[in-house]
Amino acid sequence: KQEVTQIPAALSVPEGENLVLNCSFTDSAIYNLQWFRQDPGKGLTSLLLIQSSQREQTSGRLNASLDKSSGRSTLYIAASQPGDSATYLCAVREGTSGSRLTFGEGTQLTVNP
Amino acid sequence: KAGVTQTPRYLIKTRGQQVTLSCSPISGHRSVSWYQQTPGQGLQFLFEYFSETQRNKGNFPGRFSGRQFSNSRSEMNVSTLELGDSALYLCASSFGFTGHSPVAGSTGELFFGEGSRLTVL
Repeated sequence: KQEVTQIPAALSVPEGENLVLNCSFTDSAIYNLQWFRQDPGKGLTSLLLIQSSQREQTSGRLNASLDKSSGRSTLYIAASQPGDSATYLCAVREGTSGSRLTFGEGTQLTVNP
Repeated sequence: KAGVTQTPRYLIKTRGQQVTLSCSPISGHRSVSWYQQTPGQGLQFLFEYFSETQRNKGNFPGRFSGRQFSNSRSEMNVSTLELGDSALYLCASSFGFTGHSPVAGSTGELFFGEGSRLTVL
């Protein structure tokens, strides 16, 4: 059974800092991995999708990497801003699971002005 | 381009009642999946519908059911509500998957709605 773990559970940083969020998964036979952001009481906003054949994806100040063989992904946020404060979730899709994603518990990020 | 629309956004029910939640996917998307989010269990997969057929089902009791209409809109129903059913119910849409792969021309990316917050008293 696939298990997804995110470390740290919470992170508080001053504005302007570069930071890394970690995600690990137990079964490397994934089809893709998706990073989401969730603001309190809101739905999920898709940030980046990495296919299993890719090593990284970039969108603006965000960069996500994937090392499928070791079961790890990282989300790098450059020059953090208070508006980046949210919970960040990673989720993996396995090859035979259709739209079924297995989620981590998330990292709650606070960026202080 | 409109996103995923879920209604109602908030609702309060009492134990034993039933509830129906609605999800309208992004135009052109044929797959709708449902997730339950609670503080204790995190995000858990309920089921997925593709072209009006249930494709996948999570580990939830039979009180949780769903359906999809020909226009891809989906509803989920929870009967005989329990206190533990209090949660944020999220719907996600995508173009869908055939076999192991996303439908041709798509990436397999899922897009979520704002959710329906259910409180059971």
